[in-house]
Amino acid sequence: GAGVSQSPSNKVTEKGKDVELRCDPISGHTALYWYRQSLGQGLEFLIYFQGNSAPDKSGLPSDRFSAERTGGSVSTLTIQRTQQEDSAVYLCASSSVTSTDTQYFGPGTRLTVL
Amino acid sequence: GQNIDQPTEMTATEGAIVQINCTYQTSGFNGLFWYQQHAGEAPTFLSYNVLDGLEEKGRFSSFLSRSKGYSYLLLKELQMKDSASYLCAVSPGYSTLTFGKGTMLLVSP
Repeated sequence: GAGVSQSPSNKVTEKGKDVELRCDPISGHTALYWYRQSLGQGLEFLIYFQGNSAPDKSGLPSDRFSAERTGGSVSTLTIQRTQQEDSAVYLCASSSVTSTDTQYFGPGTRLTVL
Repeated sequence: GQNIDQPTEMTATEGAIVQINCTYQTSGFNGLFWYQQHAGEAPTFLSYNVLDGLEEKGRFSSFLSRSKGYSYLLLKELQMKDSASYLCAVSPGYSTLTFGKGTMLLVSP
């Protein structure tokens, strides 16, 4: 596609349930990023994938969060046993190679944990 | 650690000029980005500075001083559609960006 796409656009879940968020990066982009944006806060880095290298998971807030990228393209962010503090907009971005290349963001997934 | 500071809110009048400042303290530096984010939408790229000086792009300009850890975004001939949040972000290495909390700009008629 022309841009980064994410699904679903909105997700409402109950505390304790698992959720999966999907990101389709721009075709040909080797770098993929997940961020979280809470109300009134800046973008918080979660995880970074670059080609076939081991992902940089240094931003994941707890072991309930995990992500994978299959075939160097689509990525899935999984949150297990969701908590109310996980409520936020989850943004995915992709860039050509590294973080010094412009990152293009998807529209985000708004997650609400009741 | 990484720290990026920018004002929380600014207001300006249509047709005016506004300067949004950003100061940073990061463990490394490989460039500074400015993004614009309208409410409920994804951030969109505005500018990138890696060397000291001014980069001009239409109504928007961005300045960088690496020795001072300082950047600003200058918006000229403000329009109502410029009302948005402006995010300053630094690339401390090659793996990700560190974002400030954003400056909410409100342009009034």
